[in-house]
Amino acid sequence: AQKITQTQPGMFVQEKEAVTLDCTYDTSDQSYGLFWYKQPSSGEMIFLIYQGSYDEQNATEGRYSLNFQKARKSANLVISASQLGDSAMYFCAMREGPFVDMRFGAGTRLTVKP
Amino acid sequence: GAGVSQSPSNKVTEKGKDVELRCDPISGHTALYWYRQRLGQGLEFLIYFQGNSAPDKSGLPSDRFSAERTGESVSTLTIQRTQQEDSAVYLCASSPAPGLAGAQHTDTQYFGPGTRLTVL
Repeated sequence: AQKITQTQPGMFVQEKEAVTLDCTYDTSDQSYGLFWYKQPSSGEMIFLIYQGSYDEQNATEGRYSLNFQKARKSANLVISASQLGDSAMYFCAMREGPFVDMRFGAGTRLTVKP
Repeated sequence: GAGVSQSPSNKVTEKGKDVELRCDPISGHTALYWYRQRLGQGLEFLIYFQGNSAPDKSGLPSDRFSAERTGESVSTLTIQRTQQEDSAVYLCASSPAPGLAGAQHTDTQYFGPGTRLTVL
């Protein structure tokens, strides 16, 4: 069964606008972690943000924030003030504690238009 | 400081040949992971090392795939008798020592640049 679902294969956003990338997950564990990674065309995977299942506040890292809705099992990534350099693939991932393998979604390709 | 490095960056091989892919994790990171990413797809977990031990090898696609790690450092992923379906980018990641039981999910994984394998 698919653990991580990203329903948007591609997204477009105008430069300087905000964009939300959707991610829903499936787990019966109480303890888990949610991650977002960015993969530019160069292929490297860049860690963006982490949210723990017990964290009461939404995680924020600069222009990135994670809209964590535990009851709905969603962990959407919000990018504020989009920049051209934000154009990339974005992957949502989950790790269920205490197991260590991380499950990734299929990704969303974000294109920022000038 | 140095990040995760992988070599070679690109590998083209003929069907049936064996290949070795190398990963050098961040110094001091005890956990090391291998993933496969086929063109246009997400990451597929292959195997994980804690120290030099791999507790779970069930993610390896077939018995043609094997991996080892030595000195709690370098890891090698070996694919024997390569097939065209093995063509993909193979990504390695490392993370610091896991925390207390149940808190391991907090460990962020830092990825290398990957090895692009093409099997002709």
